Amino acid sequence: QLQLQESGSGLVKPSQTLSLTCAVSGGSISSGGYSWSWIRQPPGKGLEWIGYIYHSGSTYYNPSLKSRVTISVDRSKNQFSLKLSSVTAADTAVYYCARVQSTIYAFDIWGQGTMVTVSS
Amino acid sequence: QSALTQPASVSGSPGQSITISCTGTSSDVGSYNLVSWYQQHPGKAPKLMIYEGSKRPSGVSNRFSGSKSGNTASLTISGLQAEDEADYYCCSYAGSSWVFGGGTKLTVL
Repeated sequence: QLQLQESGSGLVKPSQTLSLTCAVSGGSISSGGYSWSWIRQPPGKGLEWIGYIYHSGSTYYNPSLKSRVTISVDRSKNQFSLKLSSVTAADTAVYYCARVQSTIYAFDIWGQGTMVTVSS
Repeated sequence: QSALTQPASVSGSPGQSITISCTGTSSDVGSYNLVSWYQQHPGKAPKLMIYEGSKRPSGVSNRFSGSKSGNTASLTISGLQAEDEADYYCCSYAGSSWVFGGGTKLTVL
């Protein structure tokens, strides 16, 4: 059973870069037919799609965050990462990593989520 | 890329049926049969309940069903149970991107 686990800094200062990693276990991140995505949820609010990386390495980002977001894959460690630069308090949220089944275009497996607070 | 529109809350009694609507545009819901629905209990990660508008993943109760008409998708839960009380989010593929709805809180009375 494939599982995802987020990790990274829980507290980031304003204007700095948020960095998170999603470790994939129980399967290979290089398996064809899947993409890997980041989604966030501010406290008490709804879900926001951040971006995804296809198994080929191609990346696609939410237009509202595109200038600040980088998603990358480390196949040797079977994990993918999120970097969000120039953060503000508005970036405070629970960040989820998720697998996208490319045939159904849905997020079928999610990590448990990790809370990131932007504060000085 | 604007969020899909969902009612903030719906409620129903055990055994009843409820429907949650999700309205998008011709650029997302209206263009693709790729609407998915997620259930989220407090403090938990979302769970996929419906994909491709009306299909259920293995293990999801057949009390959950989905449909779409034009730019609006719908999730229907029949035979409401206490465990169905949660937040529900719709999501639509929009061409190399996804957009979520604002979420609907379901209360089982």
